[in-house]
Amino acid sequence: SQQGEEDPQALSIQEGENATMNCSYKTSINNLQWYRQNSGRGLVHLILIRSNEREKHSGRLRVTLDTSKKSSSLLITASRAADTASYFCATAPLMDSSYKLIFGSGTRLLVRP
Amino acid sequence: NAGVTQTPKFQVLKTGQSMTLQCAQDMNHNSMYWYRQDPGMGLRLIYYSASEGTTDKGEVPNGYNVSRLNKREFSLRLESAAPSQTSVYFCASSVWVGSNNEQFFGPGTRLTVL
Repeated sequence: SQQGEEDPQALSIQEGENATMNCSYKTSINNLQWYRQNSGRGLVHLILIRSNEREKHSGRLRVTLDTSKKSSSLLITASRAADTASYFCATAPLMDSSYKLIFGSGTRLLVRP
Repeated sequence: NAGVTQTPKFQVLKTGQSMTLQCAQDMNHNSMYWYRQDPGMGLRLIYYSASEGTTDKGEVPNGYNVSRLNKREFSLRLESAAPSQTSVYFCASSVWVGSNNEQFFGPGTRLTVL
């Protein structure tokens, strides 16, 4: 079963606008990660936020984590056409010592030029 | 460095045929993983190998077997392919040091079972 669920499932915005995607999960976690997948390609790691962190930045990416609500958000600022991709959250469950990840079903982002 | 490589890129099988998907990584990672991705869905873990010499079942292991040949290579075998195994298969690897478990993915194998 999926641990993380992204919302919305699909998002279409104009170039230059901000894109916000949300992820909810069910069990306590060690960390939460966001990945990007361009069409027909493998996933690429974007950012990792640990359970004791509330916010993290990387370039135009901002990730927040609310462990009390078991949710995270990914904000992409000043979006570009090249940001068009699917975005997945992945969680490392706290009680799993193997640190394997459980992926959500993803948000498909379309950035219109 | 090539990162994570997978072969083949595409494969068409008939029901009942067998095949092995190959994966190799050159990043000296301890852990390796096999996922499947069905249309419009996220990745589901088939099998993983936390370290050389160990393998464990993931969420959807039925119909698959794996071999961790050495630290670099992790293969996935379909003994008797079924149409339900039509999917895109991804291999990934990670350094398993505490909670730093960022995964690096290969380009995927698109498998169609007729």
